[in-house]
Amino acid sequence: GAVVSQHPSRVICKSGTSVKIECRSLDFQATTMFWYRQFPKKSLMLMATSNEGSKATYEQGVEKDKFLINHASLTLSTLTVTSAHPEDSSFYICSASDRDEKLFFGSGTQLSVL
Amino acid sequence: AQSVAQPEDQVNVAEGNPLTVKCTYSVSGNPYLFWYVQYPNRGLQFLLKYITGDNLVKGSYGFEAEFNKSQTSFHLKKPSALVSDSALYFCAVRDGDSNYQLIWGAGTKLIIKP
Repeated sequence: GAVVSQHPSRVICKSGTSVKIECRSLDFQATTMFWYRQFPKKSLMLMATSNEGSKATYEQGVEKDKFLINHASLTLSTLTVTSAHPEDSSFYICSASDRDEKLFFGSGTQLSVL
Repeated sequence: AQSVAQPEDQVNVAEGNPLTVKCTYSVSGNPYLFWYVQYPNRGLQFLLKYITGDNLVKGSYGFEAEFNKSQTSFHLKKPSALVSDSALYFCAVRDGDSNYQLIWGAGTKLIIKP
């Protein structure tokens, strides 16, 4: 099956700094990628839909200026958490959809903001 | 409005017994239904989907799910559980007649005891 690579897998940063997470589709082109946040109690929350060559579509309640998404190519989307704070600590997951409606997920990034 | 419900936070099953993880949904158009699994320390993986055709869908790792239109359900099943099936299972749905995104269930933790 298709592979989605997500880096880094874990990052620890100081409050106020910015963190960039990369999501790559390794063997297929993904015009659309999705960014999720998974909370400790397990629920998966869609943050935004990343569209190649255009602006991301954010879900209600997600701050656009805080969670910057760039989808510069058909195989790469990045999520930048700007001016991170402890409440941003979470598990972030990206995914990409193939033509057959299936989603392929990255392995996730555990962000810890001190 | 679209919604999906996984009524059980956790399901406990003895190894070798049949298992069922429940999912009910609500969409206004044709339902596209999915099951994903998240194993401990591993990424989310696609298990199976229903878009059209046979109501009984077979997926990875011996799992299957039955689409029941009258009951608006898409329960995940396996005839004989393995300890290695212990994981977090997510049901997701989207309205196939629109461009709405996937709606995710809250997840069900499946624990298989030896």
